[in-house]
Amino acid sequence: ETGVTQTPRHLVMGMTNKKSLKCEQHLGHNAMYWYKQSAKKPLELMFVYSLEERVENNSVPSRFSPECPNSSHLFLHLHTLQPEDSALYLCASSQGFTLAKNIQYFGAGTRLSVL
Amino acid sequence: GQQLNQSPQSMFIQEGEDVSMNCTSSSIFNTWLWYKQDPGEGPVLLIALYKAGELTSNGRLTAQFGITRKDSFLNISASIPSDVGIYFCAGQSGNQFYFGTGTSLTVIP
Repeated sequence: ETGVTQTPRHLVMGMTNKKSLKCEQHLGHNAMYWYKQSAKKPLELMFVYSLEERVENNSVPSRFSPECPNSSHLFLHLHTLQPEDSALYLCASSQGFTLAKNIQYFGAGTRLSVL
Repeated sequence: GQQLNQSPQSMFIQEGEDVSMNCTSSSIFNTWLWYKQDPGEGPVLLIALYKAGELTSNGRLTAQFGITRKDSFLNISASIPSDVGIYFCAGQSGNQFYFGTGTSLTVIP
């Protein structure tokens, strides 16, 4: 148990569906992250929130929409996804965003399949 | 973005053997991390390294921050079946971490 909980663990959706991924951290951290993990590729950083403000957006398509209502919760809203978006989506949190405080702790991930 | 080369890509070893894997970069990093990921789970932090030359142990695991600050090594001694998984390195440049592609470890009982 890492203190970062993601739901759902598995999600199958059609290309016209709208769904949301949820992440909750119980570590008292101030920064939260979304990553995409595809087979044989390094983790791809998607979004970073620090103190509920988005500080990184790594050229992610607009069909992915993050939301951070408070420092403990992070959502990833999905709509009109493509089959190539199928992957493991990982949430992480860290104490802060700056050097020496941004060691990240990961959730178990949501395995997403887009049909 | 930064590229991390992690090797080997996969390893098949007998239980009890020692394991070595490494990560190299063309850029200098100021922190190196090693994570392990079990099937169906997220990465779990094993060891964090903050200074060039630093050598840190966590049980049977030992990791080193290379003197050039462009590489890091992870060693596992006397492997056991539960060491199976994918091991990732991560290097920090600025405020961002960059991840390797992972080393898949299989331990044969």
